[in-house]
Amino acid sequence: QSVLTQPPSASGTPGQRVIISCSGSISNTGRKTVTWYQQLPGTAPKLLIYSNSQRPSGVPDRFSGSKSGTSASLAISGLQSEDEADYYCAAWDDSLNGWVFGGGTKLTVL
Amino acid sequence: EVQLVESGGGLVQPGGSLRLSCAASGFSLSSYWMDWVRQAPGKGLVWVSRMNSDETTTTYADSVKGRFTISRDNAKNTLHLQMNSLRGEDTAVYYCARSYFYGSGYGFDIWGQGTMVTVSS
Repeated sequence: QSVLTQPPSASGTPGQRVIISCSGSISNTGRKTVTWYQQLPGTAPKLLIYSNSQRPSGVPDRFSGSKSGTSASLAISGLQSEDEADYYCAAWDDSLNGWVFGGGTKLTVL
Repeated sequence: EVQLVESGGGLVQPGGSLRLSCAASGFSLSSYWMDWVRQAPGKGLVWVSRMNSDETTTTYADSVKGRFTISRDNAKNTLHLQMNSLRGEDTAVYYCARSYFYGSGYGFDIWGQGTMVTVSS
């Protein structure tokens, strides 16, 4: 059981907008910033969003993040077939004194 | 090119030991916090351990505390994870990752390709 809660799956058709949620508690997403990672099949994770809503250089602006209270969201607009991947949220947890991840959301592009 | 390359994974019997290595190139490990993250087959990401830039602070997940030790060889610019008393539930791909401070929070901006550890008799 992961500390952060994500839906196990999400789907959309090309061009659509999809939102993936991430729910935590005051000790992690409530007090700390949230990061998002994309993991394509058979590859290492890649940083997608840091500090709740910031994109590293090279990440398309189709990807956006937000946070409110203890919940965060990743939005993917203009869905493309290459977006089919697993997406993970993460945050530092002050109580556990370590990073915690969501269980991951498998995105399928129909 | 900035990259991390892990090595040292393999098949080990329960109760055995293994030492993973993560060679960094393009940057100095002594300037960054570094972490280990693992992923069991078909499962999600789980944080394992971290070391701060000056090696004064090491932190571990409860599941590995007392069994795993994170260390660094500055001369070889290599991060290590010594894993003792291995259990079946330690079976996973182990990734090393660079923790980058963006001013308002950290993110794992560079990841290695991962090394597979299988604990089985």
